[in-house]
Amino acid sequence: DVKVTQSSRYLVKRTGEKVFLECVQDMDHENMFWYRQDPGLGLRLIYFSYDVKMKEKGDIPEGYSVSREKKERFSLILESASTNQTSMYLCASSSTPGQGTFSYGYTFGSGTRLTVV
Amino acid sequence: AQKITQTQPGMFVQEKEAVTLDCTYDTSDQSYGLFWYKQPSSGEMIFLIYQGSYDEQNATEGRYSLNFQKARKSANLVISASQLGDSAMYFCAMREGWAYGNKLVFGAGTILRVKS
Repeated sequence: DVKVTQSSRYLVKRTGEKVFLECVQDMDHENMFWYRQDPGLGLRLIYFSYDVKMKEKGDIPEGYSVSREKKERFSLILESASTNQTSMYLCASSSTPGQGTFSYGYTFGSGTRLTVV
Repeated sequence: AQKITQTQPGMFVQEKEAVTLDCTYDTSDQSYGLFWYKQPSSGEMIFLIYQGSYDEQNATEGRYSLNFQKARKSANLVISASQLGDSAMYFCAMREGWAYGNKLVFGAGTILRVKS
């Protein structure tokens, strides 16, 4: 019954590496999001996408990019990983009012805990 | 300015008792939605309850209810008859409007520990 899948649960990467975090949803949702979660800061939005090939910056986009080539897949890219990007990354999807079956809640993946050393 | 404020970093509650987790929000929009999510130690975010700004009744979902006080801009989560499985991080969140660009903004969270 998995609806939003993140490819890795735990990831360890070296400083300077290019890192890809993958997210796939099977609910035909238009909107997809990448958040990072840090203690005491809650979840902060990095990027979101409301359609294929469309993307918008969130609150903390610096050091990240995204790709959405297919509706079901939204990738987060760390161009050159740094230690301050060590965090929990959460992907989410949501539907849009007036399009298909709308529900208010966002559906989240299980998260990827990334450590950059 | 903080859009969502959760002032309780951590809370303890005795099993079977009720607990209230506080949440205040800041918005000048008339149309918005308020959410509560639960995050167990496993990491997944579980949607608990939703309250729309125009909803006149407080939302309820099983043991969860949302105490919505619009004039005070508060949306506290009440968990009745706490269970050990309620131990988790709880996040309050808000979305201002439903256009494509509107974002879900989260508070810092409250860790709840249920004691047996």
